[in-house]
Amino acid sequence: SAVISQKPSRDICQRGTSLTIQCQVDSQVTMMFWYRQQPGQSLTLIATANQGSEATYESGFVIDKFPISRPNLTFSTLTVSNMSPEDSSIYLCSVETGHYEQYFGPGTRLTVT
Amino acid sequence: ELKVEQNPLFLSMQEGKNYTIYCNYSTTSDRLYWYRQDPGKSLESLFVLLSNGAVKQEGRLMASLDTKARLSTLHITAAVHDLSATYFCAESHTGTASKLTFGTGTRLQVTL
Repeated sequence: SAVISQKPSRDICQRGTSLTIQCQVDSQVTMMFWYRQQPGQSLTLIATANQGSEATYESGFVIDKFPISRPNLTFSTLTVSNMSPEDSSIYLCSVETGHYEQYFGPGTRLTVT
Repeated sequence: ELKVEQNPLFLSMQEGKNYTIYCNYSTTSDRLYWYRQDPGKSLESLFVLLSNGAVKQEGRLMASLDTKARLSTLHITAAVHDLSATYFCAESHTGTASKLTFGTGTRLQVTL
């Protein structure tokens, strides 16, 4: 298994500002993922973050809006830029460990006013 | 377009009863995951199913996978109130490097 922490756990931000979310894993992992869960909805993949390469974004998500860093094998950040109320969601990072297990962090609950 | 459909979307059941949640997916899949989410919480990993015919059980929950029918089921036996949560299936399809496509979720409410 993997122990994943995220910071902050929640935040209330003003429209037009940016927030950087941190994801820390207790072991080295190759693949990290960022998901968004809008209120009352399922999860949608934003991007895949691999160390040493550019993040790969899914359709509907762009680097200018959601820049991602992956400086090492235990850490990643997701920035939500120029926020609007539509960005209010829970943002979760996940990692894949051995035997194809995928674990999720506790999430960051973002409210944009 | 990749689709993962769950039904029912909402399930209210009495304690002690059995029920099944269905997860249909639209593409060739490498593996199928089941997660549980409690209100305001993150996702808890329940099962990962890796091959056709795979069956896994933990307590009152049993998951199975039929890759030919593109169907996975989560069976609940003798439900208890503590199982009340939202259950998601997710599939990782061939060639997508472990990216998960999630189903709509099934909100389970177990009543006394």
